[in-house]
Amino acid sequence: DAGVIQSPRHEVTEMGQEVTLRCKPISGHNSLFWYRQTMMRGLELLIYFNNNVPIDDSGMPEDRFSAKMPNASFSTLKIQPSEPRDSAVYFCASSFGAGGTYEQYFGPGTRLTVT
Amino acid sequence: GENVEQHPSTLSVQEGDSAVIKCTYSDSASNYFPWYKQELGKGPQLIIDIRSNVGEKKDQRIAVTLNKTAKHFSLHITETQPEDSAVYFCAASISFGNEKLTFGTGTRLTIIP
Repeated sequence: DAGVIQSPRHEVTEMGQEVTLRCKPISGHNSLFWYRQTMMRGLELLIYFNNNVPIDDSGMPEDRFSAKMPNASFSTLKIQPSEPRDSAVYFCASSFGAGGTYEQYFGPGTRLTVT
Repeated sequence: GENVEQHPSTLSVQEGDSAVIKCTYSDSASNYFPWYKQELGKGPQLIIDIRSNVGEKKDQRIAVTLNKTAKHFSLHITETQPEDSAVYFCAASISFGNEKLTFGTGTRLTIIP
């Protein structure tokens, strides 16, 4: 298996622009997680889906952030408009589980820089 | 919500020596405690986990201990090797109904050859 695939790997954009991060989970996994990693705040869960349904979005910082999972093999995290403080590494992770806690497999991350 | 504290933030040990990283958690309902290793430029990867019904778990040179009463758990790496150099994260969650992991702030482990 190719593992969790994220694109792009690096994104540099100007403040105010829309940014879309993409994730393809491991085939057969039914939970998908979006994390943000910064030096100041560490690894934060933004939102997670189970069977394509958002379960917990309490970590989404504000209305500028939105996430979708239209099907089991694709998810997007969108920031509109972007701000310099959104600069971070964004990870997508997936797992297979139902009602339990199972290993989360992380993608390589997208490094976002907002100037 | 759950709060996980991790210490130390950095740790340097001589190759062959042991390394210990400690975490505490706040929610007594947490019952699943994984440890992740993150190498430079990569996503975190699970290296070992423990559930609250056991006190210790070993996998070759890695072991994790859990003290539910004190609400703390530790990662022990013995006979350290250069490839153990990485950032290590502890996490906690309440399984069965909630897969949300709360991560500690990470420990940068450096193995000195």
